[in-house]
Amino acid sequence: DAKTTQPNSMESNEEEPVHLPCNHSTISGTDYIHWYRQLPSQGPEYVIHGLTSNVNNRMASLAIAEDRKSSTLILHRATLRDAAVYYCILRDDQTGANNLFFGTGTRLTVIP
Amino acid sequence: NAGVMQNPRHLVRRRGQEARLRCSPMKGHSHVYWYRQLPEEGLKFMVYLQKENIIDESGMPKERFSAEFPKEGPSILRIQQVVRGDSAAYFCASSLGAGGSSYEQYFGPGTRLTVT
Repeated sequence: DAKTTQPNSMESNEEEPVHLPCNHSTISGTDYIHWYRQLPSQGPEYVIHGLTSNVNNRMASLAIAEDRKSSTLILHRATLRDAAVYYCILRDDQTGANNLFFGTGTRLTVIP
Repeated sequence: NAGVMQNPRHLVRRRGQEARLRCSPMKGHSHVYWYRQLPEEGLKFMVYLQKENIIDESGMPKERFSAEFPKEGPSILRIQQVVRGDSAAYFCASSLGAGGSSYEQYFGPGTRLTVT
């Protein structure tokens, strides 16, 4: 699977939007972009995924660049419970990669 | 619907002892994955199993580590003769299917192994 690059850490004020970037310049045509997050002392949880079009769900939005070499996870109103490490992961739909490659992720701190 | 269950949540072993970590997947899930997370690092894939079969063990150390997922009962990750470097959080995940991006993995709360 192609690799991703994320900032090590970011801060946000509570109730403000947060934009978490991810670069994946070597992404292939069959790679889906997945986001997971890991709250302190918990296992990771799925957030959202997409291929080309922007995606929205109850947790977040995913904005994917037209060339697909980068994407942004958007939390519309950060809460203290959103403080976590966010991982951007590519999964090859064609080969059906069965393991997730977790990089170092972005540690999001939410300031009250 | 109960999520992925792991037990014990915390396990302390002395060097040289054996550690057994258990994982019960979500109801209806027959695909199980084990990951290890060292302090301040991301999760690293270890092994992927379906019922009674090991599908991919490319991330698992060749010695001392083994995994199984019997027809009945939970999946077991077994570490023999533990060393201090085995101290980590071990996470289990399960999915409804495999192949493609449609099958999300659901993670358990992890087992934190401490080797003294």
